[in-house]
Amino acid sequence: QSVLTQAPSASGTPGQRVTISCSGSSSNIGSNTVNWYQQLPGTAPKLLIHSNNQRPSGVPDRLSGSKSGTSASLAISGLQSEDEADYYCAAWDDSLNGYVFGIGTRVTVL
Amino acid sequence: VQLVESGGGSVQPGGSLRLSCAASGFTFSSYWMHWVRQVPGKGLVWVSRINSDGRNTRYADSVKGRFTISKDNAKNTLYLQMNSLRVEDTAVYYCARDLYGVGPDFWGQGTLVTVSS
Repeated sequence: QSVLTQAPSASGTPGQRVTISCSGSSSNIGSNTVNWYQQLPGTAPKLLIHSNNQRPSGVPDRLSGSKSGTSASLAISGLQSEDEADYYCAAWDDSLNGYVFGIGTRVTVL
Repeated sequence: VQLVESGGGSVQPGGSLRLSCAASGFTFSSYWMHWVRQVPGKGLVWVSRINSDGRNTRYADSVKGRFTISKDNAKNTLYLQMNSLRVEDTAVYYCARDLYGVGPDFWGQGTLVTVSS
C-alpha cells in the first residue's frame, strides 16, 4: 500500500487525452513538489515532469503536470502508441522523512 | 550523464552485498544521490538518499540499520552496503541523481539483487 494513491490503469485511443491522478496528504504533496516518471517495459524510469509542472529538456509539450492541494495530475495529450508505459508520481514526505512513490498507473493505447 | 550500477547478484538471507554506481558526464561531487528499488513487476520504492558531500543521509524504515549509503567524490562512485539481507530485499536496485533537491532525475539501468536460500 503506497502513501500516494494512483489508479492502477488508464487507457485511451490514439490522439485522445489521458489524465493520471495522484492523491497524497499534507505531509507529501501538500507541502512538497511532485515529480512524474515514465517507465517503459524493461527499462529504467525516466523523469517526465519535475516541480509539479516543469518538463525536462526533450520531454514533449503534449505532456503536462499540475498540482492542487494534496493532489496532482499528469496529462498526456495526443496519445501515441509509444506512450504505453507505467507512470509514477512521487514526492518527498516530511513525516516519513523519505521519498514516496505512487503504485504506478499503466497506460494502454487501445 | 551516465550511471552504471554493479555488484548485484544472489545471496543467502542474512548475507551482505555492496552495490556500486559509477557516475560520469556530470560533476558528481555537486549532486545528491538516491537508491531506489523495484521488485520485478511491481512499483518503485525509495531506499536511501545522500547529500553532495556525503555527510547527510536518509533511509527508508525498511532498510534503516541494515543498509548504508555512501559516496566517494574522488572516485565518482555511489555505494550501497547491504547487510542482514532478507528475502524481501530481492529487487532491481537503481541509483539515481537528484535534481537539486526536488527528487531523482537521471537513473542508471539497475542491478538485480536476489536474496534466497
